[in-house]
Amino acid sequence: EVQLLESGGGLVQPGGALRLSCAASGFTFSNYAMSWVRQAPGKGLEWVSAISGRGGTTYFADSVKGRFTISRENSKNTLYLQMNSLRAEDTAVYYCAKEALSITGTTGHFDFWGQGTLVTVSS
Amino acid sequence: QSVLTQPPSASGAPGQRVTISCSGSSSNIGSNYVYWYQQLSGTAPKLLIYRNNQRPSGVPDRFSGSQSGTSASLAISGLRSEDEADYYCAAWDDSLSGLVVFGGGTKLTVL
Repeated sequence: EVQLLESGGGLVQPGGALRLSCAASGFTFSNYAMSWVRQAPGKGLEWVSAISGRGGTTYFADSVKGRFTISRENSKNTLYLQMNSLRAEDTAVYYCAKEALSITGTTGHFDFWGQGTLVTVSS
Repeated sequence: QSVLTQPPSASGAPGQRVTISCSGSSSNIGSNYVYWYQQLSGTAPKLLIYRNNQRPSGVPDRFSGSQSGTSASLAISGLRSEDEADYYCAAWDDSLSGLVVFGGGTKLTVL
C-alpha cells in the first residue's frame, strides 16, 4: 500500500525558514518523480515544485523560485522541501504527491497524495 | 487567477447528471492531457480522471472525462450525496517551463 506522510509544518515568522519532509512507502521511491502541491486556507490547489526520480532535475513555480529548494534522499525514501524567506502568502497546507508514471519530471498525473502538513507564516 | 478556468460552483439533485467545465489554452489543455481530482471536505485530493478520460481502478464509471480543443469537462451521472466535494482540473503547461497548472476548483453541491 502506497503511503505518503508529510511532517515539519508549523508556525513561522515572516522571513523565517522551515523544512518539510515526506516519508514514502509501498513503492520503489526512486522510480518516480515527486511534487509538492499547496493549498492556502479556503483556496484552490497550487503546484509548487517537482523533482525527478534520481533527484537530478528540479522544477519550481515562479511564486517560490529562489526561495524554496526541493530534494530527496532515495536511500531513506524521503522527499524534502526547504522553504526560506517565508511570506504570509506561503501559508497553506502542503501536500506531497507521487507522479503516476514519470521518473523524469512532472505531468500533473498524481496518483497518490499525502494527508498534508500546515504551514502558517505569521508574526 | 488560475490558468485553467472552472465555474466556482455546480449543483444537482441525487440521480441527476452534472457537468463541470475546465477552460484553458493551446499551451495546456490544447496540447497536453487533462487530469481531474476530487477533494472531499478536510481530506487530500484524490485522482479521479487521468489522460483526459481514463478512470483509475476503483473510480465508479459514473465519472467520465472529455477533452476538446482547449476545454475539458468532467461529467458525473447518477449523482450521489457522497459526490459532494471540490473538483479540480489540472494540466501541464508548455509555456511555463513545464509547470503544472490547476483550475480554481468547483464546489459541487448535491441538493
